[in-house]
Formats: sequence, C-alpha cells, structure tokens
Amino acid sequence: ETGVTQTPRHLVMGMTNKKSLKCEQHLGHNAMYWYKQSAKKPLELMFVYNFKEQTENNSVPSRFSPECPNSSHLFLHLHTLQPEDSALYLCASSQGVAGNTDTQYFGPGTRLTVL
Amino acid sequence: KQEVTQIPAALSVPEGENLVLNCSFTDSAIYNLQWFRQDPGKGLTSLLLIQSSQREQTSGRLNASLDKSSGRSTLYIAASQPGDSATYLCAPRAGNMLTFGGGTRLMVKP
Repeated sequence: ETGVTQTPRHLVMGMTNKKSLKCEQHLGHNAMYWYKQSAKKPLELMFVYNFKEQTENNSVPSRFSPECPNSSHLFLHLHTLQPEDSALYLCASSQGVAGNTDTQYFGPGTRLTVL
Repeated sequence: KQEVTQIPAALSVPEGENLVLNCSFTDSAIYNLQWFRQDPGKGLTSLLLIQSSQREQTSGRLNASLDKSSGRSTLYIAASQPGDSATYLCAPRAGNMLTFGGGTRLMVKP
C-alpha cells in the first residue's frame, strides 16, 4: 500500500470557503509535489518542494497556496476557488536527488468539487 | 515545453492478448521515463522506470522500451488479464518535473 497519504479524500466547498488539503509521506523522501488532474486533461504539475523549499511553481493562480513545514508534510491551502478548479488533486513524493533514478510515488488523491 | 502524446487513447481487447501502448514526447533531454497505472478515481501506481541511458525495463508481464533520440517509449503487456484494466500513463522526467500524457484507457474483457 502507498506510503503517501492524503486527507480528505473528498471535499465539497463553496467559492467563498477556505479549506486545506493535507499530504503526508512515510517514505523518508525529500521532495514533494502537488498535481492537478481535471476531467479530460492530462495530469499537470502545480508545485515542487525540495527539502522544504519551493523549487517549482507551474504558473498556478494565487488562490492555491502551498505550504511545506517539513519534508514529510505538504499542504495546499484553498481560497475563493472557481468551479473550474474542481478536479482530483494528487500529492507525490520522491528522494529528490538529481539524476535519472528518482521515482515519484503518488497518494490516492483528494476529489475536490467547487460549487 | 515538453509535450507527451499517448496512442491509442482507448483500447478494448479480449483476455489473453498481447498489447503495445505507445508514448511519444517532444523534448529528448530527459533523465528518465516512468510508466504509471491509474484505476478510476484513484492515485497513480508506478509500474516501471527507464533511465535515459537504458533501452528497456521488465517487470513480470510488463516490458517498457525507450528510444530517447526519437522521443518514443512503448509499454508491452503480455497475456493481458481483466485485472490489467486501468488507464496507463507515461511521464518523461526533466529536472524535477514529470510531464504526463493523456493516457491510454485499457479494458480487458474476460
């Protein structure tokens, strides 16, 4: 079973709500990632953290705010979202080392619906 | 910007057939390429990782090949089973970034 957990698994929120998604990895990895999977679109990278520092922001709107307090935990804070933000949000982790053997491991995802 | 295409988008076959799933990518400057499986509404399970210096990797009934110079990878599934039904995603990696294709949705009928 996956060493990456995500909570909640399902979330319904209104456009004026503020909520947070949580990801935790139990693999001793140093890099963590947020991805978005919308219906009928390929999986898209949102953010990358290496050793708690953000190293990638893939032009994500500011209504999505990531936080990485330590190498094991990653949050995605949500506020004033739009209905088109409804999607499956996936967290992943990896060793984070440079080179060609780094493998990403994914959590089960949070299914988000914005009303 | 890396672009990844997977063909076919969907595939339905009877149990026992051997299958080939195709992945092409535009930027050959990659570290590695991963193949994943995704069951409906679930996260991704890593199947195989091929390093940029490798030509193929095998795991059980799965064999993945990589031709980096031509920007192509294939996933071969031998003796398909109904439990193989899922969406298969390829993702070449450059730096910290995986870029995903749209996937091939596979249905194996008993």
